[in-house]
Amino acid sequence: SQTIHQWPATLVQPVGSPLSLECTVEGTSNPNLYWYRQAAGRGLQLLFYSVGIGQISSEVPQNLSASRPQDRQFILSSKKLLLSDSGFYLCAWSGDLGRGSNTEAFFGQGTRLTVV
Amino acid sequence: AQSVTQPDIHITVSEGASLELRCNYSYGATPYLFWYVQSPGQGLQLLLKYFSGDTLVQGIKGFEAEFKRSQSSFNLRKPSVHWSDAAEYFCAVGARQAGTALIFGKGTTLSVSS
Repeated sequence: SQTIHQWPATLVQPVGSPLSLECTVEGTSNPNLYWYRQAAGRGLQLLFYSVGIGQISSEVPQNLSASRPQDRQFILSSKKLLLSDSGFYLCAWSGDLGRGSNTEAFFGQGTRLTVV
Repeated sequence: AQSVTQPDIHITVSEGASLELRCNYSYGATPYLFWYVQSPGQGLQLLLKYFSGDTLVQGIKGFEAEFKRSQSSFNLRKPSVHWSDAAEYFCAVGARQAGTALIFGKGTTLSVSS
């Protein structure tokens, strides 16, 4: 069966420090991978998604970047964190929407990031 | 591009009463549609999904949703709410093509009163 791992669960970082959040998926190949951010009252905001290694689509211009160095690994990074980067970050994977099967998104448990 | 609107930010329902959470989507063709539930500090769990076929979809925990193409809606319903249903609910839409992402609404927070 497929599983998704996201870490760390919580993180407190000072303003101006770098960030690296990692997400890995097991039990499937060539998944679509997503990073969402959830802020109070704003729902789930899609930050990045990837349909393959090295293929990253950015939905919101911001202080963050994403990389997909391996098929089942998705990394969210920042060189210098801002206070406004605080939030709950969720990684997710789905099957290929074009194939019409297994297309729901499966979520990790999230990372609570507090920038101080 | 597709989008999702959940008009109700917060709903309070008495335990045992019926529930309907609204979801409207914007997309040029028939999309994939989903409802998710999130407990505080947790990831999202899939309640149900619509891909094709019967427009009334049954999900887990006694939830159901009906796809209405003419109204571009996919409302979530439950005939009798339990206190444990208190959570945040998200509607999501996916385009039927490769290389696209799932888009979520802003969510509806459900409170259950005794």
